[in-house]
Amino acid sequence: ILNVEQSPQSLHVQEGDSTNFTCSFPSSNFYALHWYRWETAKSPEALFVMTLNGDEKKKGRISATLNTKEGYSYLYIKGSQPEDSATYLCAFRRSQGNLIFGKGTKLSVKP
Amino acid sequence: DAGVTQSPTHLIKTRGQQVTLRCSPKSGHDTVSWYQQALGQGPQFIFQYYEEEERQRGNFPDRFSGHQFPNYSSELNVNALLLGDSALYLCASSLWLLAGLGNEQFFGPGTRLTVL
Repeated sequence: ILNVEQSPQSLHVQEGDSTNFTCSFPSSNFYALHWYRWETAKSPEALFVMTLNGDEKKKGRISATLNTKEGYSYLYIKGSQPEDSATYLCAFRRSQGNLIFGKGTKLSVKP
Repeated sequence: DAGVTQSPTHLIKTRGQQVTLRCSPKSGHDTVSWYQQALGQGPQFIFQYYEEEERQRGNFPDRFSGHQFPNYSSELNVNALLLGDSALYLCASSLWLLAGLGNEQFFGPGTRLTVL
């Protein structure tokens, strides 16, 4: 059974706080790690696709790192804004296989 | 550039009935994957279609079947509905050719199915 674990389940922060969450995945037969941002009543939006150990990707105030040897990825949000409120999903993929999702981290940013 | 669209948005059915959900992929994409998201869970892979054939399948019973049309759109059919089939059904599209390059999947907004 392949498990993708995300922590924490939910997070409440104040506007301006920086935050980070974790995605853990099996370290064997790694192919790719995907991060999605999912606002309520909208489609999940792709943030990053990471394939190489040590990868670091950045999009505006959001960045992600990847460690395939130990099986984890971190997502960082610098200076959280209310519009960052969403569920952040990570998904693991083995060799051209389907995406295996975690349950997500629900972020709420208070003004 | 149209994104992934799904219909209907919401659907209410009773146990034992059959349902068909529809998906149109993002313009230029040829591969469609279906996922089920039950309450409190992450999306779970149902199956994937490319060139009108099922290419991969997750751990779902035969009651779940699909189809892909020549225009790349897809349908998900569920027979003999159970209460446990109540979930959000997501469709995602991608390019088969880029599957080996950590290809992104683009998601639609989903269809919320309620089985009473």
